Amino acid sequence: EVQLVESGGGLVQPGGSLRLSCGASGFTFSSYWMSWVRQAPGKGLEWVANIKQDGSEKYYADSVKGRFTISRDNAKNSLYLQVNSLRAEDTAVYYCARGSTESIYRYFDYWGQGTLVTVSS
Amino acid sequence: DIVMTQSPDSLAVSLGERATINCKSSQSVLSSSNNKNYLGWYQQKSGQPPKLLIYWASTRESGVPDRFSGSGSGTDFTLTINSLQTEDVAVYYCQQYYSKQYTFGQGTKLEIK
Repeated sequence: EVQLVESGGGLVQPGGSLRLSCGASGFTFSSYWMSWVRQAPGKGLEWVANIKQDGSEKYYADSVKGRFTISRDNAKNSLYLQVNSLRAEDTAVYYCARGSTESIYRYFDYWGQGTLVTVSS
Repeated sequence: DIVMTQSPDSLAVSLGERATINCKSSQSVLSSSNNKNYLGWYQQKSGQPPKLLIYWASTRESGVPDRFSGSGSGTDFTLTINSLQTEDVAVYYCQQYYSKQYTFGQGTKLEIK
């Protein structure tokens, strides 16, 4: 059974940092593109970043470019999102989502339960 | 970025009736190389993560009831739910994956009338 379990969220002050993690199981993690998608309270879905199987390609939404960094450790079956210079508008549930083995241009077939990041003083 | 616009924002349909949700992209998501529309539909129930329903605009994900269907091509797409059930109450999102910068529609909230 495919499982994605996020952790690392919490309350942080504006300008602060957090490292989000996503542990994967039930599939060959190293074979898949992986993404982070966020959802502000009561709002819609916003893609944040994605990363190729070997970490050689990374792409970011304009809203987070230069502040967030996606990474992965295939030996640990883990995906990460380092979030820096946080703003109130970064408050959201952050989901880890699985892409494809074949291409970046694919849908998300599995999602984690999400981890909540709250940016407030 | 490709902008995805859904209509309506909310919808109330009687049990057993049909629900129709529309999604329009600001540019075509149809690939000329493989004739596929890079468009997916997701269902998100309250307090849960999104769930993939439809990909390639019209291919139903494994395990999704056949009352869910997707149609359309190019820039205009439709998610149809036939014979609405109580468990279909949710917010529905379309998503384009034609561009590396994926984008979602704003969501359509489906309720029972």
